[in-house]
Amino acid sequence: DADVTQTPRNRITKTGKRIMLECSQTKGHDRMYWYRQDPGLGLRLIYYSFDVKDINKGEISDGYSVSRQAQAKFSLSLESAIPNQTALYFCATSESAQGRAGELFFGEGSRLTVL
Amino acid sequence: AQSVSQHNHHVILSEAASLELGCNYSYGGTVNLFWYVQYPGQHLQLLLKYFSGDPLVKGIKGFEAEFIKSKFSFNLRKPSVQWSDTAEYFCAVNGGNTNAGKSTFGDGTTLTVKP
Repeated sequence: DADVTQTPRNRITKTGKRIMLECSQTKGHDRMYWYRQDPGLGLRLIYYSFDVKDINKGEISDGYSVSRQAQAKFSLSLESAIPNQTALYFCATSESAQGRAGELFFGEGSRLTVL
Repeated sequence: AQSVSQHNHHVILSEAASLELGCNYSYGGTVNLFWYVQYPGQHLQLLLKYFSGDPLVKGIKGFEAEFIKSKFSFNLRKPSVQWSDTAEYFCAVNGGNTNAGKSTFGDGTTLTVKP
């Protein structure tokens, strides 16, 4: 079983719909992240959470919101989806120990298409 | 702010050729450096990492990278590539305590190895 699990793996939706992508992890890590991958643009950070009570915006948070329901769960929501949010979304986790916090463990990705 | 630049967007090699992918970063303090690989249809996984110590680090599948602090570089190398190395490669930087856990990724390099 995957240590970082994302659902759904694929989703097609229409403009204006609300979408939630879910992530759960069994690694016991405190830190969780949502990244977006677009061709030729690498990965860009949307939101990150260093513990259950800590939520921070990344570089492209507009149009997105998150919820950290528990240490193991971190959900990403698109309140009103638009076509330019079509992308591959990755959840990731990391340890909090100094010097190891940068090593990310990724989920398998959620491919979202907004028509 | 931290940033990462990968110089090659698409590299095409024949099997057994040597590989070097360039990565330069911008950050004024202590950094942790990473190379991740994404095989077709899969999620990102860690190839190798540099936290401290020996600037020449070895990763999985025969890959290595050298951290040259004076050049702000962390180039990835492999003496002899295989067809199975076809993938997208991402360099990432995680800048010390201030940005610990917030990794910035390069745009990625797509490597195609011809059999």
